[in-house]
Amino acid sequence: DTAVSQTPKYLVTQMGNDKSIKCEQNLGHDTMYWYKQDSKKFLKIMFSYNNKELIINETVPNRFSPKSPDKAHLNLHINSLELGDSAVYFCASSLWTQNSPLHFGNGTRLTVT
Amino acid sequence: AQKITQTQPGMFVQEKEAVTLDCTYDTSDPSYGLFWYKQPSSGEMIFLIYQGSYDQQNATEGRYSLNFQKARKSANLVISASQLGDSAMYFCAMREGIQGAQKLVFGQGTRLTINP
Repeated sequence: DTAVSQTPKYLVTQMGNDKSIKCEQNLGHDTMYWYKQDSKKFLKIMFSYNNKELIINETVPNRFSPKSPDKAHLNLHINSLELGDSAVYFCASSLWTQNSPLHFGNGTRLTVT
Repeated sequence: AQKITQTQPGMFVQEKEAVTLDCTYDTSDPSYGLFWYKQPSSGEMIFLIYQGSYDQQNATEGRYSLNFQKARKSANLVISASQLGDSAMYFCAMREGIQGAQKLVFGQGTRLTINP
């Protein structure tokens, strides 16, 4: 199946821990993103990578560190997790053109206790 | 200032009726794109339809059409002959610029409920 896949689907962890979310796309896209959806369903961009190069960093705390080993993968590592980090994190990909829609992964629900 | 505004937090519609979901946007860039996404209760984000700022005709995709009124800066989604499976959150989003460091900015969403 051609898709954006992210793992894990659910992540429950305690404050202060470090965790990672992995994302892979096989759509042949050259641009990948991380979005955060809060409890009110509001979606906000965190990062965007084009061909492994960081393009957008939306004033995200530096506890969040994205890594793109190649243009098909974009992982998100979060250090020292806080309660406020609880959210659904979506990975997405697209082509580097205006009319290319973002294709989203199914999301990772992160719960910090 | 809000770039994308969806003024209807929730809508209730009878099955088989048409429904219009409102979206207004704010940009000074002459080149932009508008997108609609559906998020069912299962959580995934599904792309529905795209409208470019220079497109002469309103976009259509099956039962979905986009009522694009550029002067009014509105891009309403019209769903014809609604079905129970259309119950979901719907998000309007905008991308500014031709290409380059661009990002998709989302509205607050509208929760659509289709009643049998």
